[in-house]
Amino acid sequence: DAGVIQSPRHEVTEMGQEVTLRCKPISGHNSLFWYRQTMMRGLELLIYFNNNVPIDDSGMPEDRFSAKMPNASFSTLKIQPSEPRDSAVYFCASSPDGQGFYGYTFGSGTRLTVV
Amino acid sequence: DQQVKQNSPSLSVQEGRISILNCDYTNSMFDYFLWYKKYPAEGPTFLISISSIKDKNEDGRFTVFLNKSAKHLSLHIVPSQPGDSAVYFCAASEGDSSYKLIFGSGTRLLVRP
Repeated sequence: DAGVIQSPRHEVTEMGQEVTLRCKPISGHNSLFWYRQTMMRGLELLIYFNNNVPIDDSGMPEDRFSAKMPNASFSTLKIQPSEPRDSAVYFCASSPDGQGFYGYTFGSGTRLTVV
Repeated sequence: DQQVKQNSPSLSVQEGRISILNCDYTNSMFDYFLWYKKYPAEGPTFLISISSIKDKNEDGRFTVFLNKSAKHLSLHIVPSQPGDSAVYFCAASEGDSSYKLIFGSGTRLLVRP
């Protein structure tokens, strides 16, 4: 089991550019989560998919952020246009049942720097 | 408003001694609590959890205690090992939104050899 795979590991981009973060969940997991970690706000849930359908996107900061899950093995988080305040570590996580009881499996994260 | 608080940003402990990490919460509707460990440049990894119907859960060297009346939980690591040095996050979830984990800000544990 390769775990949750995120790419890229690091991304540096200029303000105004489009950024796309990618995630491959663990095979067989039906739930996928995007979290963001910042110094100010810590780890916060951005969006939750269950069976490829967005269930809760209340954590998405604003319209510049969008997430898709076209199939069970792939998800993207897009920021367009990017701003310096979007600089953070973005984590993708998956779980077999959408319940938090046994914890999620997190990927290693993408460190995004917007200059 | 932080619903889950870890008031100690760091903790240093001698190898072999007990490490106690603390977490407070404000939402009385939380019914499930978890601890995660995070090493640098890695994602958080699940460590141990406890349901609100229990007051203690043990897994090897790790024990989590829950005091509902005080809205407080703690993680005990006995004995502490250098490999335990990491950032520890507590997290909580609530009933119908059990998928949504609310994380504390983390405590950095250093276990000195």
